[in-house]
Order: sequence, then structure tokens, then C-alpha cells
Amino acid sequence: DVKVTQSSRYLVKRTGEKVFLECVQDMDHENMFWYRQDPGLGLRLIYFSYDVKMKEKGDIPEGYSVSREKKERFSLILESASTNQTSMYLCASRSPMRYSNQPQHFGDGTRLSIL
Amino acid sequence: QKEVEQDPGPLSVPEGAIVSLNCTYSNSAFQYFMWYRQYSRKGPELLMYTYSSGNKEDGRFTAQVDKSSKYISLFIRDSQPSDSATYLCAFFSGGYNKLIFGAGTRLAVHP
Repeated sequence: DVKVTQSSRYLVKRTGEKVFLECVQDMDHENMFWYRQDPGLGLRLIYFSYDVKMKEKGDIPEGYSVSREKKERFSLILESASTNQTSMYLCASRSPMRYSNQPQHFGDGTRLSIL
Repeated sequence: QKEVEQDPGPLSVPEGAIVSLNCTYSNSAFQYFMWYRQYSRKGPELLMYTYSSGNKEDGRFTAQVDKSSKYISLFIRDSQPSDSATYLCAFFSGGYNKLIFGAGTRLAVHP
């Protein structure tokens, strides 16, 4: 069974802090993704990674960066947290496009509040 | 125009009812069509996945795709309280693995 684990379920940080969200998957998936989910807006892609040390911007990368030093771990970094980054953050992983019938598997999310 | 339109609900139905959830889309390049279910305080889980136009059935769930009308549906037969969740449609056009999600429809099935 695929398991995508996000390090924190709930996190409260202050404006201006540097925030790290961690995600680990145990299926040796090459592709990993970070989304944020907001009411009425659905899931929006922040960044994704094809493979180790590779990253691509998604639709809303401003204010975020990512790190993928090991295949199983994908970190999302809020460089200087702001209140408009209060949201639910979801990590996902999958096998690459050549196995196109493989779905994305999601973690249970981190609900981040920036005060 | 939004790339994907999905009625947010909430939709409230009695146990045993047939539920119909719908999404419309504008991008004719979408090739793969998915439905995810998301329980409260959990991540989305894949429920149904289709590639072509037509119907796909899995137990009480039927996914329907009409590419000519750019419209997909998820039908739930004999709905149960355990079906209460948010249902997200998702679309994939190939390229670089990017999924496009609808905003989600919240469903409540009451006993």
C-alpha cells in the first residue's frame, strides 16, 4: 500500500518565519508534487519534481521553494511566511508519465496557519 | 472561463438515493478523467479513472465521460452515510504530469 506521509498535520507559524513542510513516500516514485487547497479554489499546484534534484514551477510558485535531495523526500519551503499562505498543503507522489494509468497518491495534508 | 467547473454544493441526500456529481471542462486536450474522494481532514484518494468516452462501473460507482460535450459525471447508487465526503473531478492532458482539479462538491448522505 502506497504511503505518503506529511510530517505535521497542524502547524502554526508567525509572519516572516521560514517554514518547512516535509513529505516522505515509500513507493520509490520518481514524481512528487506540492499543492495547496483552499475553499472554492480546489487544489492548486505549487511545485513538482520529476526526480531527485529536479524541480518545476507549478501554477502558484511565488513565495515558495522546494528541495528534493533524496528520492523519497520532497520539502516545501515558505521563505518568509505571510498570512495569505494560510492553507491546507497536500503532498502527492506517482510513477512517471510512461505509466500513465498510475494515479497520484496523496498524503493527509498539513493545515498551516500563519499569524 | 474557468478550465474546469464543478458545483461546490453542498448536496444533501437521504440514504439509498442515487447521487449525480458533474464537471464541465473547456480544454479539449484533456485525455484522462478522474474522480477523487476526500474525507474531512484527509487527503484525496482516487475513486475512478477513465480514459475514453463512455461509462466505467466499479461497484456502486459509475463514471461517465462525454468528450464531445466536455462533460463528466460520477453516479453513486444506493448512497450510504459513509459516502459523505468531498468529491473532486480531475483532468490530465499528458505533457508533464499536471493534474487539473475541480473545486470539489461536498456531499452529505443522511440516514
